[in-house]
Amino acid sequence: QKEVEQNSGPLSVPEGAIASLNCTYSDRGSQSFFWYRQYSGKSPELIMFIYSNGDKEDGRFTAQLNKASQYVSLLIRDSQPSDSATYLCAAVTNSGYALNFGKGTSLLVTP
Amino acid sequence: DTEVTQTPKHLVMGMTNKKSLKCEQHMGHRAMYWYKQKAKKPPELMFVYSYEKLSINESVPSRFSPECPNSSLLNLHLHALQPEDSALYLCASSRIPQSPGQGSTDTQYFGPGTRLTVL
Repeated sequence: QKEVEQNSGPLSVPEGAIASLNCTYSDRGSQSFFWYRQYSGKSPELIMFIYSNGDKEDGRFTAQLNKASQYVSLLIRDSQPSDSATYLCAAVTNSGYALNFGKGTSLLVTP
Repeated sequence: DTEVTQTPKHLVMGMTNKKSLKCEQHMGHRAMYWYKQKAKKPPELMFVYSYEKLSINESVPSRFSPECPNSSLLNLHLHALQPEDSALYLCASSRIPQSPGQGSTDTQYFGPGTRLTVL
């Protein structure tokens, strides 16, 4: 079973701080990686995707990919209480279609 | 526009009922997906349709029957469900993945989901 692993948390950070969310994957064939945010009772909302080694920035969010270490991360700068949610890391499987999700990390941003 | 719509938002059904979940997208995506999500778990893939043809069935029980009548619509027909089938059912769509690493075409957009309760 090809795994995507995340620390379930909760990860608690104060408002205004940087939240760092981490994800590792076991399938070296995985090429594309996604971060989704999911509020309780709602559906996953895409934050970012990344498929090249290095950093990709979009507003307060930065995704980092290190294929040699099989590691993906998401940094959230200037964290806000509204960022409190579960963050799902996902990798596209070899089929090119199916998303293999990690179990998600619960983030709590405290005022 | 990256909107995927799903109806109904909530559904309560008995174990002998027949009901259908509907999903619609107008982004021109030719890949559509059904996922099932239990509380505090990640989404689990059920079915994938590619160009309106079923391409992946993740060993889902036959009481779940998918249908893709056209490139914009995806249905999930439910019959003789069990209480353990209660979950959030998510529809997603994407462009057809062209080759590994093409993140823009791999990206799946999710609908708001249908909260299903089986009594």
